[in-house]
Amino acid sequence: SQQGEEDPQALSIQEGENATMNCSYKTSINNLQWYRQNSGRGLVHLILIRSNEREKHSGRLRVTLDTSKKSSSLLITASRAADTASYFCATVNQAGTALIFGKGTTLSVSS
Amino acid sequence: GAGVSQSPSNKVTEKGKDVELRCDPISGHTALYWYRQRLGQGLEFLIYFQGNSAPDKSGLPSDRFSAERTGESVSTLTIQRTQQEDSAVYLCASSLNTGGGSDTQYFGPGTRLTVL
Repeated sequence: SQQGEEDPQALSIQEGENATMNCSYKTSINNLQWYRQNSGRGLVHLILIRSNEREKHSGRLRVTLDTSKKSSSLLITASRAADTASYFCATVNQAGTALIFGKGTTLSVSS
Repeated sequence: GAGVSQSPSNKVTEKGKDVELRCDPISGHTALYWYRQRLGQGLEFLIYFQGNSAPDKSGLPSDRFSAERTGESVSTLTIQRTQQEDSAVYLCASSLNTGGGSDTQYFGPGTRLTVL
């Protein structure tokens, strides 16, 4: 089964609004990553948060991590139409060789 | 610099045929990964190469799937006797150092495989 599960599955907002996506995972982690996937452009790494960090910022992105609840959230502030994409959280498999992705949250930002 | 490239971008094949997908990683990246993404799903790990170490093949779904990598360069993913269930986007990624969890993985645009 998937290690990370994103919630909600789909989110529709207006430009300028904030978007929050959540991710839950099952096993202990060293870090958690968020990726974005635009149609036709592949996956792009957004941010990595380590297990000893509770919050991290990158531009309009804010990621939180609660290891006690095994959950993370991605907040996009002041959303733009260009933020329309699918967002995935990812954690490392037990062998430490690859990432395990959730099914993603599909974000639609309308102008 | 150039990112990860994959070819072909689209492949339509008939059930039972063999297909070969190619990945060119970023130069200097020692780790290379193949993933599969079915429609509306997340990515499934297939195989991982790291330098000259034995690859981690634990994600390959059946013995019809195989992959090779020449040194730290090109990789090919081969699917023999394709089935309709193999229809998916096949994504390749590479990373700089030891791979796994701490490295940022850089993804190619994927190959969309359709098996009729």
